[in-house]
Amino acid sequence: GAVVSQHPSRVICKSGTSVKIECRSLDFQATTMFWYRQFPKQSLMLMATSNEGSKATYEQGVEKDKFLINHASLTLSTLTVTSAHPEDSSFYICSANRLAGVETQYFGPGTRLLVL
Amino acid sequence: GQNIDQPTEMTATEGAIVQINCTYQTSGFNGLFWYQQHAGEAPTFLSYNVLDGLEEKGRFSSFLSRSKGYSYLLLKELQMKDSASYLCAPRTGGYQKVTFGTGTKLQVIP
Repeated sequence: GAVVSQHPSRVICKSGTSVKIECRSLDFQATTMFWYRQFPKQSLMLMATSNEGSKATYEQGVEKDKFLINHASLTLSTLTVTSAHPEDSSFYICSANRLAGVETQYFGPGTRLLVL
Repeated sequence: GQNIDQPTEMTATEGAIVQINCTYQTSGFNGLFWYQQHAGEAPTFLSYNVLDGLEEKGRFSSFLSRSKGYSYLLLKELQMKDSASYLCAPRTGGYQKVTFGTGTKLQVIP
């Protein structure tokens, strides 16, 4: 079964609004979660590493004031897309490391964001 | 930086065997994942190699050579549902960051 969940699975919003996406690890604790973005027919691009209890680490070119990350507990990380614009429309996917023999990274089902 | 090289597309016949190669150049290498991604969906975990050698798991096997920066995914007894993109993804660094290339789009034909 699924080990990482995301909510919502799909969201449509107006330009200028903010959207919050939740990522939860199910039945395990994740001190580190990752947020990716994927545009159609392109590869997954790592946006940031979310660390429980500390600030997220953003990849080069990702605006931290635009994409707010909060990892408030060992099972929940949130990504807020602030003042969303049509170019932010994308598939946002989170992942978490789970120790199962070796530490394996599992992905959530993704959130499809459409900004009108 | 990271450099990951996989064929863009491959076609294989149902019931056959296909090998998808991946070469990578990274710093701070910790291991390598293979994921399967169907169109419009999130990636699903297939395998993780840390040590050199072949890991077999059912119809799928994955091989790693750390010294050569090379891995392959072997799919046996291909089924139509295996048509998907296959992503080679090295893991690096203290935070165990995973980086993806563009993946290999595999089409299985009857």
